[in-house]
Amino acid sequence: EVQLVETGGGLVQPGRSLKLSCVASGFTFNNYWMSWTRQAPGKGLEWVASITNSGGSTYYPDSVKGRFTISRDNAQNTLYLQMNSLRSEDTATYYCTRGGMDAWGQGASVTVSS
Amino acid sequence: DIVMTQGALPNPVPSGESASITCQSSKSLLHSNGKTYLNWYLQRPGQSPQLLIYWMSTRASGVSDRFSGSGSGTDFTLKISSVEAEDVGVYYCQQFLEYPLTFGSGTKLEIK
Repeated sequence: EVQLVETGGGLVQPGRSLKLSCVASGFTFNNYWMSWTRQAPGKGLEWVASITNSGGSTYYPDSVKGRFTISRDNAQNTLYLQMNSLRSEDTATYYCTRGGMDAWGQGASVTVSS
Repeated sequence: DIVMTQGALPNPVPSGESASITCQSSKSLLHSNGKTYLNWYLQRPGQSPQLLIYWMSTRASGVSDRFSGSGSGTDFTLKISSVEAEDVGVYYCQQFLEYPLTFGSGTKLEIK
C-alpha cells in the first residue's frame, strides 16, 4: 500500500523557518518525481514545488521561489520542504504528493502567526 | 500562467441523477504527443484530495466507472453518472502541461 506521511508542521512566527518531511512507503521512491501542494484554510489547491526522481531538478511557482526549497533523500525514502521567510499567506495544509499526484499524504498543518 | 476556470453545479443534485462539471483552460492542454495534460481530483469533506482522472479521460486505479472525463484542448467535462452520497465533496481540475502547475478553484457537489 502506498503511504505518504508528512511531519514537521506547526505554529511559526512570520519571518521564521520550518522544515516539513514526508516519508514514503509502499513503492519505489526513487522512481518517482515528487511534489508539495498546499491548501489554505477554506481555499483551493495550490502547487508549491516539484522535484525530479534523482533530485537533480526542482520547480517552484513565483509565490515561493527563493523562499522554499524542495529536496529528497532517496536512501531514506524521504521528501523535504524547507520553508524560509514565512509569511501569513503561507498558512495552509501542506500535502506531499507522488508523481502525477496519484497519491497524497494526510497533510501537515502550518500556521504562520505572531 | 495557465488559468483553469471551473463551472458551478446546480446543487443539490438528486441522488441517482447525473452531474457534469466543466473546466476551461486559458491555453490548449493538448500536447504534440497526442495526450491532453489534464487531471481531475475529488476532495471529500475532511480528507486529502484523490486523483480521479488523468490524461483528461483515463480513470485512476480503483475509481468507479461512474466517473468519466472528456473534452477538447481547452474545454473539459467530468461526468458523474448516477451520483451517490459518497460523491459529495469538491472537484478540482488541474493542468500539468507546463509549470507552474495550476488548479481550478473547485466545484462543490451536494447530494439531495
